[in-house]
Amino acid sequence: EILLTQSPATLSLSPGERATLSCRASQTISRYLAWYQQKPGQAPRLLIYDASNRATGIPARFSGSGSGTDFTLTISSLEPEDFAVYYCQQRGNWPRTFGPGTKVEIK
Amino acid sequence: QVQLVQSGAEVKKPGASVKVSCRASGYTFTTHYMHWVRQAPGQGLEWMGIIFPSGGTTRYEQKFQGRVNMTRDTSTSTVFMELSSLRSDDTAVYYCARDGTVGYFDNWGQGTLVTVSS
Repeated sequence: EILLTQSPATLSLSPGERATLSCRASQTISRYLAWYQQKPGQAPRLLIYDASNRATGIPARFSGSGSGTDFTLTISSLEPEDFAVYYCQQRGNWPRTFGPGTKVEIK
Repeated sequence: QVQLVQSGAEVKKPGASVKVSCRASGYTFTTHYMHWVRQAPGQGLEWMGIIFPSGGTTRYEQKFQGRVNMTRDTSTSTVFMELSSLRSDDTAVYYCARDGTVGYFDNWGQGTLVTVSS
C-alpha cells in the first residue's frame, strides 16, 4: 500500500497570501496524484489531477507540481472560499489511498 | 450534468448490516467505474473499493474484504454498497464517487451518514 503524508497538518494564513501544501508518497507514483478540496458538510471536490492538471472549472490560482514521490499544491492568492481541508490521493497503485489532509485556516 | 444521489441516513446496531445506494444520472452509467469512500467524524478519507458497472466486477480494500459487497443495477443506474457486521468504528459518512475520464474521483454523491450505536 502506498502511504501518503501531507504537511503541514494546519496552515494559518490570511486572505491574499500564498499557500503551499506538500504531499509525499512512500514509493514512486509517477504523476498519478490528485488534490481535492473539502469544506465542512460537503463532499470533496477534485481540483488537480495527474499532479498538475486543473479539473474543469477550477480557478487558475490553484496549481500543482511534482512527480515521483514529492508533490505540491499551490494557491497563489487565497480567497475567502479557499479556507478548507485539502487531500492528496494517488492512483498509481491499488488500493487507492488518500493523505491525512492539510487544513488551511484563516489567521 | 452528472449527478450522484445517495440514500438517506441510517442508524444501525452493532452486528447489523447496512446497504447504501447511489443513483447516477447525466452520463452513460456503464462507462465509468464507481468508488466508495468513507469518512469517520472529524477524520480523513478512506477508500473502500470500486465496482465496474458494465460487468459488475469489484475490487475491495483488504481491510473490508469479507464484510463489504458492492453491486449494481444497470436498469436504474444505481450502485449499492452493503457493509455487514457493523461496529461502532464504522460510524461514518459514506460517499460514492465516479471515476472520471481522467481516472480520479470527478463527481461525488452527497454522502450518507451511517451511525452504529447500541
